[in-house]
Amino acid sequence: AQSVTQLGSHVSVSEGALVLLRCNYSSSVPPYLFWYVQYPNQGLQLLLKYTSAATLVKGINGFEAEFKKSETSFHLTKPSAHMSDAAEYFCAVSDYEQGTYKYIFGTGTRLKVLA
Amino acid sequence: GAVVSQHPSRVICKSGTSVKIECRSLDFQATTMFWYRQFPKQSLMLMATSNEGSKATYEQGVEKDKFLINHASLTLSTLTVTSAHPEDSSFYICSARAPSLTGAVKGRTALHFGNGTRLTVT
Repeated sequence: AQSVTQLGSHVSVSEGALVLLRCNYSSSVPPYLFWYVQYPNQGLQLLLKYTSAATLVKGINGFEAEFKKSETSFHLTKPSAHMSDAAEYFCAVSDYEQGTYKYIFGTGTRLKVLA
Repeated sequence: GAVVSQHPSRVICKSGTSVKIECRSLDFQATTMFWYRQFPKQSLMLMATSNEGSKATYEQGVEKDKFLINHASLTLSTLTVTSAHPEDSSFYICSARAPSLTGAVKGRTALHFGNGTRLTVT
């Protein structure tokens, strides 16, 4: 089964600083990877997804992620953090199992933005 | 597009009662919906995959008689927590796979989530 690992359950950055949230995947076949954001007491919102097209994927709110096969990584970045970026971020992979695609989520990284 | 509506957003019930949570795809048809449970400050745990017109597929360790799932139409799936107990208190989130306009493999399409239901059992 495929899986994703998010290093760092908490990340703090200053407003205006670079945001880097790490995600590594485990897959024997080309994966489909996603980044989602969750604000308190809400569902998840899709930021971006990788589906084997361009390795650098641009998403909403200025976020982007680069798929690196050699490193089995799909790290999420944003050049300049904004206070509104404070939230929980989840990396996910879709896994084909028992005739259907399931979506497996990482443990999440809580981003804190310091003024 | 691809809006998923989940109700109620918050519910408090007494131990022993049952609670129904609805998940609707508002502007698309969802043959498959997923139900997740999220514990405080933790990730999402897939509970079951809901398939329109057929029985749900439950993940290992999830009691199907405890968490009843019905997907009677292409736009509605319900999760009923039966005989709820305090340990069932959690944040429940439904999701549906966005429709593929290009015929892409289903695994390539992202999920769209409801806003979740905070269940508190007293």
